[in-house]
Amino acid sequence: AQKVTQAQTEISVVEKEDVTLDCVYETRDTTYYLFWYKQPPSGELVFLIRRNSFDEQNEISGRYSWNFQKSTSSFNFTITASQVVDSAVYFCALANAGGTSYGKLTFGQGTILTVHP
Amino acid sequence: DTEVTQTPKHLVMGMTNKKSLKCEQHMGHRAMYWYKQKAKKPPELMFVYSYEKLSINESVPSRFSPECPNSSLLNLHLHALQPEDSALYLCASSQGFFEKLFFGSGTQLSVL
Repeated sequence: AQKVTQAQTEISVVEKEDVTLDCVYETRDTTYYLFWYKQPPSGELVFLIRRNSFDEQNEISGRYSWNFQKSTSSFNFTITASQVVDSAVYFCALANAGGTSYGKLTFGQGTILTVHP
Repeated sequence: DTEVTQTPKHLVMGMTNKKSLKCEQHMGHRAMYWYKQKAKKPPELMFVYSYEKLSINESVPSRFSPECPNSSLLNLHLHALQPEDSALYLCASSQGFFEKLFFGSGTQLSVL
C-alpha cells in the first residue's frame, strides 16, 4: 500500500516570508517516484518536480527548493520569498514502480497556501 | 503544443441524461488518464489508458465508460449519474507512467 500525508491543511503567510510544505510518504517498494503539483484557483494542476527513489539530491529552481530524505520518508517543499501568485493548493504525490499499485499516482490531501500582500 | 484540452468546461445534466466528456492532446503522449476531484480533495484516479488500451480501472461504477478512439483523444461517457458524481473531472497525459502529468483545466460536472 502507498500513502502520502500532508499534515498541513492550510498555511497563511505574508508576502516575502519563506514557507515550507511538508510531505511524508509510505511505501514498501524500493523504486518509486515523488512529485509535487500546484493547483491555482483556475483549477488546472501544474507539475513542479519529480524525484525518483534513487536520487536524494536536493533541488533548487528559482524560489522553489525541495528536500528529499529517504531516512525520514519526507519530500518537503520550500518557497523562498513567497509571492501572492504562489497562492494555490499544493499536492505531493507518489507513484510506485512495483506491486499492485504499479503506475498509480497517489496524491496527498493537499496544502492550501495563501500568501497575503 | 503542450496543452491538454478538455470540453466542455461546464456541464449540467440530469440523472437520466447521457453525455460525454472529451479530452485531446497532441504531444504524442501514450498514457492518458481520467481523474475525479471533489471540492477541497485531491484528485482520485479513475482510468488509465496506455497505448490506447485500458490498463487501469479503479473500480469505477459502470455508469462511467471510458473510450480512447486514438492516441490523441480520450472520452468519458456518462449515463445515469447520481448527484454524488458531481465533481471536477480532470484529464491528463504523460509520456509514460512515471513521467510528469500534463493536466487539462477540467470539466465541472453538476448532476441534478
